[in-house]
Order: sequence, then C-alpha cells, then structure tokens
Amino acid sequence: ETGVTQTPRHLVMGMTNKKSLKCEQHLGHNAMYWYKQSAKKPLELMFVYNFKEQTENNSVPSRFSPECPNSSHLFLHLHTLQPEDSALYLCASSHLPGPESYGYTFGSGTRLTVV
Amino acid sequence: KQEVTQIPAALSVPEGENLVLNCSFTDSAIYNLQWFRQDPGKGLTSLLLIQSSQREQTSGRLNASLDKSSGRSTLYIAASQPGDSATYLCAVRHYSGSARQLTFGSGTQLTVLP
Repeated sequence: ETGVTQTPRHLVMGMTNKKSLKCEQHLGHNAMYWYKQSAKKPLELMFVYNFKEQTENNSVPSRFSPECPNSSHLFLHLHTLQPEDSALYLCASSHLPGPESYGYTFGSGTRLTVV
Repeated sequence: KQEVTQIPAALSVPEGENLVLNCSFTDSAIYNLQWFRQDPGKGLTSLLLIQSSQREQTSGRLNASLDKSSGRSTLYIAASQPGDSATYLCAVRHYSGSARQLTFGSGTQLTVLP
C-alpha cells in the first residue's frame, strides 16, 4: 500500500445510481486531490482540498460532488453519471508547499464503469 | 497555462539496454518535478522527485535530471529489465491561481522485451 487507500477498487454503476468513492491517508498531509484518468488522455485534476477547504473545482460537472470531512478523508459522491464518466479515479495527497516542496502520493485508484 | 509533453509516446527496447525518457514543460516557474510509474489499470507510484533548485536525483538504476531554465527533464533507466515495462509519467508542481497544482504529461509507454 502506498499510504493512500482508495475504496472500492472497482465499481460498476447504472446511470441512475448514487455511489461514493472513498479515499483515506494517514501520512499527515494537509492537501488532498481527485484526479480523473480516461483512456488515452493525461490525468485531469478535478478537485483540490487544502486543510479541508475546497480550493479548486476544475469545471467539473455537478454530478460529481466532493466531500472532505477532515484532512485524512476525502469522498467523491456520484449521481446520474454518463457512460463517458467511465474512467480511473485517482486520489492523491501532499503537504502544502513550504520552505521545502514535497511530492504527491497517489492511491491505487477506483476503476469506474457506468452502464 | 502549464503544458507538459512527453516524448516518445511509446518505446520498445530489448532487455539490458539503457534508455532515456524525455519530458518538457512550458512554464519554468515550478516547485518541483516528479516522475511516476503506472502499471496497467493501477495507481501511480512515485519514482523520483526533483526540487526546482536541484539538477538531478538518483534511485538505483534510475536517474532523473532537471534543467528548469530550458523546461526539460530526462529519466534515465540503466540496464532495463522486463519488470520495468509500464507507463512513465512526468508531472510538474507549479503555481496556478490559488492552488498549487500538479500537471501531467501523457506518459511514455515502455516495453522491455526479454
């Protein structure tokens, strides 16, 4: 395990379902991120949370709703998704930049298939 | 807007060869540059992190260099092995409005043939 745990690993959902993705880190990081990775495309940043506050929403449709109850947990709530939302969803965490700049730690991802 | 480009998109080499993967970025105002490895259908594993003030980092058979002024980084893999087969992603952490973001290249898909 990388220190960032994502569940579930795989998810198949219908377009009318509601589901949630979970991410957990115990690295002492204070920033968490959701990324989307579609086939043949670079990773796309979706949301950024710093100290539980959302600081970035990268023009993500409202059918994706993030939640960050504390600096160790991050959720992505899904509802009325479209087949084109099928992708690998990756969670990451990091320290905020300071005198020394740190890297990102990624989870193993949730493979989402919308049918 | 920061853009990251990786060349080549795919590379196939025989086992034992030394190889170089290239990464370029358009805005030199970065915090750091990170190289990741991704196996099919899996998450990202961090390989090397180079701070903006550094020129290179080494870990085992891997060596990453950074030339911030020219917007380039290379990942050198010595004595390649079939287990090195994966997609290698370059990412730069940079200033972007109110948030510090990580912008990725599209990756280089490496196949090492036994």
